[in-house]
Amino acid sequence: QLQLQESGPGLVKPSETLSLTCTVSGGSISGSSYHWGWIRQPPGKGLEWIGNKDYTANTHYNPSLKSRGTISVDTSKNQFSLKLSSVTAADTAVYYCARRTAPGNFDYWGQGTLVTVSS
Amino acid sequence: DIQMTQSPSTLSASVGDRVTITCRASQSISNWLAWYQQKPGKAPKLLIYKASDLESGVPSRFSGSGSGTEFTLTISSLQPDDFATYYCQQSNSYSLLTFGGGTKVEIK
Repeated sequence: QLQLQESGPGLVKPSETLSLTCTVSGGSISGSSYHWGWIRQPPGKGLEWIGNKDYTANTHYNPSLKSRGTISVDTSKNQFSLKLSSVTAADTAVYYCARRTAPGNFDYWGQGTLVTVSS
Repeated sequence: DIQMTQSPSTLSASVGDRVTITCRASQSISNWLAWYQQKPGKAPKLLIYKASDLESGVPSRFSGSGSGTEFTLTISSLQPDDFATYYCQQSNSYSLLTFGGGTKVEIK
């Protein structure tokens, strides 16, 4: 059974960079036709797709991030990561990592991690 | 961007009721639509993909239909475990995925 687990600081200061890692177990992230992505959910609000990286190393991001996001994959550690620069309070959210399938939906999710942006 | 609009935003229903949630896309997305169920404090769970395909392990009381711009999620007989928030998500735009605003199904 595939499992995903987010890790990273729960508190980030404004203007700094948010860094999260997703560790995948129960399957390999390399050489597959899946994409590996991030979705976030501000407290009490809906879901927002952040971006994903596919098996060809193509990466797509939500334009609403205004080029602040970077997703990378470390196949040696079976992990993928998100960096979001110049954060503000508006970036406070629960961040989920997830596996994206060929039809474009997300079938496996991490449990989510709350990141608060505050000084 | 393709905008996804769900209705209603909140729905009050009783156990055993037939429940229908609608999701409308701002332009045609063929059948590239998924539905998720989310409970408080938990990650979303995939229910339906490609508009009408049931994800493995999901009870058959859940069904999806539609194509183009209008889609529905139907729960044929609402169970206590089904009280949750439901989201639709389009993937017609390969490089820009969007979710609907959510529909909260509450106990009447």
